[in-house]
Amino acid sequence: KQEVTQIPAALSVPEGENLVLNCSFTDSAIYNLQWFRQDPGKGLTSLLLIQSSQREQTSGRLNASLDKSSGRSTLYIAASQPGDSATYLCAALYNQGGKLIFGQGTELSVKP
Amino acid sequence: KAGVTQTPRYLIKTRGQQVTLSCSPISGHRSVSWYQQTPGQGLQFLFEYFSETQRNKGNFPGRFSGRQFSNSRSEMNVSTLELGDSALYLCASSKEGGWLETQYFGPGTRLLVL
Repeated sequence: KQEVTQIPAALSVPEGENLVLNCSFTDSAIYNLQWFRQDPGKGLTSLLLIQSSQREQTSGRLNASLDKSSGRSTLYIAASQPGDSATYLCAALYNQGGKLIFGQGTELSVKP
Repeated sequence: KAGVTQTPRYLIKTRGQQVTLSCSPISGHRSVSWYQQTPGQGLQFLFEYFSETQRNKGNFPGRFSGRQFSNSRSEMNVSTLELGDSALYLCASSKEGGWLETQYFGPGTRLLVL
């Protein structure tokens, strides 16, 4: 069964700290892995997409890595800010046709 | 470029009723996927449509159905509503649903079943 797991479920850090969010997946035959951000009661905003052939992707203060052999992905956030407070979700795509398998998310709180 | 839009944003229904939700994808996108989000189960895939054809389906009962029109707009229908159908329903679009593509999500429709 294809499953995606995120640890921890919640994380609270002081402003300015660098942090890492973890995502693991059971089946390494993924097409891509995506990281999303969700603000309370809102839809999802795409942050980064890593293709199965890639090792990492960067966008501003965000860096996502992918290790298919170990079934893991990490999202690194540098110099965190209160505006980064949100739930972060990772999702794996195993076949074409839009079916993303989501983790349960990590709720991040950045304290001023 | 306008994003993915969903209507209505909020709905309150009673058990046994049916409901139709609408999703307009980003212009030029032909793939539309639907997801259900609940606190207990998280985000779960319902189905995906491409060029008016259902191409992929999740593990939901037949009460959940959908369709896509020639302009790529999509609707999903839930018949005989149950309390457990209360959820945030999200749709996402991409050009072709390919594995290189990012999916863009709408703001969702929050459904409350009483």
